[in-house]
Parts: sequence; structure tokens; C-alpha cells
Amino acid sequence: EPEVTQTPSHQVTQMGQEVILRCVPISNHLYFYWYRQILGQKVEFLVSFYNNEISEKSEIFDDQFSVERPDGSNFTLKIRSTKLEDSAMYFCASSARPRSNQPQHFGDGTRLSIL
Amino acid sequence: GDSVTQMEGPVTLSEEAFLTINCTYTATGYPSLFWYVQYPGEGLQLLLKATKADDKGSNKGFEATYRKETTSFHLEKGSVQVSDSAVYFCALRGTSYDKVIFGPGTSLSVIP
Repeated sequence: EPEVTQTPSHQVTQMGQEVILRCVPISNHLYFYWYRQILGQKVEFLVSFYNNEISEKSEIFDDQFSVERPDGSNFTLKIRSTKLEDSAMYFCASSARPRSNQPQHFGDGTRLSIL
Repeated sequence: GDSVTQMEGPVTLSEEAFLTINCTYTATGYPSLFWYVQYPGEGLQLLLKATKADDKGSNKGFEATYRKETTSFHLEKGSVQVSDSAVYFCALRGTSYDKVIFGPGTSLSVIP
């Protein structure tokens, strides 16, 4: 069964540094998402992306965050200047159709640790 | 706004016990409802889904029925195994927005 893959599985970064998290969505999916889960807390929506544009974002997704689809297969989340509170598990997801009964399929996540 | 509430964990059961994890939601319209499972050290896997009232989703012995009248989507399994130990997330996806809204998760430990 096709799956969403994320790299790296664990990223350790100094506070203030830039970090890029990478995702390869399922190949025939056109809608892409990032979520995060701070340890012990809920999974929270960050951003959705379609046709090279952000279609929806949460209040968490401020100017420090950006997303990009640099080629036909990758989808990236960049944090420009990391803060301690950015430490979390970041999940990428993809879907064949938006706002529908089709589920979003999630990757295994990248654990981001900010020192 | 729309939200999902789940029973507090952790839940500890003996092998072969009956499992119920309660989930209720608040949403406008007719959302689709999902259960996701997160095994230790792994990502979020879709366990089952239901897209309209009275639908029953099922997978791997787990079941949940979309109850519009009680706005609930309780997860059940007749006989749990040690391998079912995981965190279970109830979630919904509305028709007017694209994100998935998750409940807080319920940690399940099954002991032999």
C-alpha cells in the first residue's frame, strides 16, 4: 500500500537555526498537510497546500514557517529561526481530495528537538 | 468551533478483555469521523472511518458506529491483544474546511 514518507525521523537543532523537514506524499495525491504534536498534547493542524499555494493555515503557522513543493515529489516544511517551543513531532499528510470523506494519510513523523 | 472529546486515559486492560473508548464530537453539518492509531515509536495510521450517520467502520476487530443523535463515535473491540497497546485518536473532518481535528488521544495498555 502506498505511504507517506518523512525524513529525517529525528532532527536535533540549536535554537535560532533553520530547519527543513521533508515529506514525500502518496504519488497520486494533490493535497498536502503538516501537523504537529507537542509531547503529551493533541495533534494540531498547521497548514494545507494545494496547487502550489497555501489553502488554509492555523494561527500556529506564523511567519517563521513556510512550505514548499520544490519538485514533483517532495513537500517541505521550513522553520526559519527555531525556538525551544518548536520541539515536537511533525507529521506530514496527503489526501486525494479535500473536504471530503477521503481520509488523510499520515507519515511516521519527524521528531524535532530544539536545544 | 468544531471539536472532539475522548475519554481520559491511560486505559489498562487484560488480554481478551472488552474495549470501549468513548468519543463525542461537536461539529456543524455532517463531518466524516475517523479513528487513528499510533503504535509506540510510529506515526498515525488510519484505523477506521465512517462518513455518514449510522455507518459502521470496522478494521482489525475494531468497530465504531457514527451516531448523529448522540454525536458519538465510540471505538470497541471484543477481545484486545497485547499488540493493540497504542494511543488511539478520534478525529473528524468537516465539509467546510480541510483540516482534520483530533481528540486528545487515549493511551491503551494491554497486559498479558
